[in-house]
Amino acid sequence: AQSVTQPDIHITVSEGASLELRCNYSYGATPYLFWYVQSPGQGLQLLLKYFSGDTLVQGIKGFEAEFKRSQSSFNLRKPSVHWSDAAEYFCAVGDKGGGNKLTFGTGTQLKVEL
Amino acid sequence: NAGVMQNPRHLVRRRGQEARLRCSPMKGHSHVYWYRQLPEEGLKFMVYLQKENIIDESGMPKERFSAEFPKEGPSILRIQQVVRGDSAAYFCASHSKAGSNEKLFFGSGTQLSVL
Repeated sequence: AQSVTQPDIHITVSEGASLELRCNYSYGATPYLFWYVQSPGQGLQLLLKYFSGDTLVQGIKGFEAEFKRSQSSFNLRKPSVHWSDAAEYFCAVGDKGGGNKLTFGTGTQLKVEL
Repeated sequence: NAGVMQNPRHLVRRRGQEARLRCSPMKGHSHVYWYRQLPEEGLKFMVYLQKENIIDESGMPKERFSAEFPKEGPSILRIQQVVRGDSAAYFCASHSKAGSNEKLFFGSGTQLSVL
């Protein structure tokens, strides 16, 4: 069965600092990988996704993620964090045959210090 | 174009009562997913529906939970005889057509609290 691990429950960074949120997955074949962001009181918004091809994926709001098959990882990065990035971030994995039936990690809560 | 609308935002029920959660997908979307987020956990898939059809309910508890997506009107997630363990955030998501590449649009969720 597929699974997703986000080892960091909470992360605090200063505004302007770089950010990396970790995500490890367990899946038998090449997965579909996603990062979503959830602001308080809001639904989840898709930041980026990886299906195939270039392992470095660009997303919205200046985020990117790199798929590393050897490490079973799909870490999310941003070179310079803005205070508005404070939110909860979820990594998810889906299978090619399962469409949008996704398995989510437990999330990482990002706090940004001014 | 309104997004995915869920209501109510908050729902309080006593043990043994019924909970009905509603989801209106984005205009033009005929595919709906329900996910549940228990405290301190990630979202878990519950059910996938198209208009008038349940496509995949492998994530639904075997008892007390049911879902529908009628030809007209919103999708409904129904929980009968609620228990405290049903307290969670329930999210609905939709997309326009079948296919793995379709982007999911999520609603803001319904927070169910069972007293």
